[in-house]
Amino acid sequence: DQQVKQNSPSLSVQEGRISILNCDYTNSMFDYFLWYKKYPAEGPTFLISISSIKDKNEDGRFTVFLNKSAKHLSLHIVPSQPGDSAVYFCAASARGSQGNLIFGKGTKLSVKP
Amino acid sequence: DGGITQSPKYLFRKEGQNVTLSCEQNLNHDAMYWYRQDPGQGLRLIYYSQIVNDFQKGDIAEGYSVSREKKESFPLTVTSAQKNPTAFYLCASSRSGRKYEQYFGPGTRLTVT
Repeated sequence: DQQVKQNSPSLSVQEGRISILNCDYTNSMFDYFLWYKKYPAEGPTFLISISSIKDKNEDGRFTVFLNKSAKHLSLHIVPSQPGDSAVYFCAASARGSQGNLIFGKGTKLSVKP
Repeated sequence: DGGITQSPKYLFRKEGQNVTLSCEQNLNHDAMYWYRQDPGQGLRLIYYSQIVNDFQKGDIAEGYSVSREKKESFPLTVTSAQKNPTAFYLCASSRSGRKYEQYFGPGTRLTVT
């Protein structure tokens, strides 16, 4: 039973436009959410995070939105660049879990020049 | 440069053999983690350690063992009891107080035939 779901395996966007990656979760005990970016044959790189007490966190071109009532979060990348092409993983952690992250299956983003 | 090193990048073993994957970090992080990634899947937690000489099972610990004798090192042994050992293995670490923001190594791809 997947607790973190990324329902779009892939997304293609034109350079300069907005990329929106979505993530849904089922566990109401999750209180911290993260996005990681991964290139092939490399380890994931931490991108941005959000605590459940917030509904938005922004870092440069990256913004994460959290809708707790819908158990949904999204990552917005504006403007998208070809170097953003990678697999993006959504991850969540529950209260008291000692850092045990639950990952989604990832969404492969392709940004076309 | 501070970071996490995993060696080797590619590892081949015959079925029935135990194999140990190395993970070293010089970030002075207290916590370390081992994940496994299979094609089209998210990362799944195998084992984690919050402090030296202490570790806990993750979601898929069966067929694996770990040790944490030094803060910098967290080796993972894939035993012959692991039914499907071929996978991409990722080691991560995090600071105390920011345990959700995990920094990953480059990974080891293990192939067992």
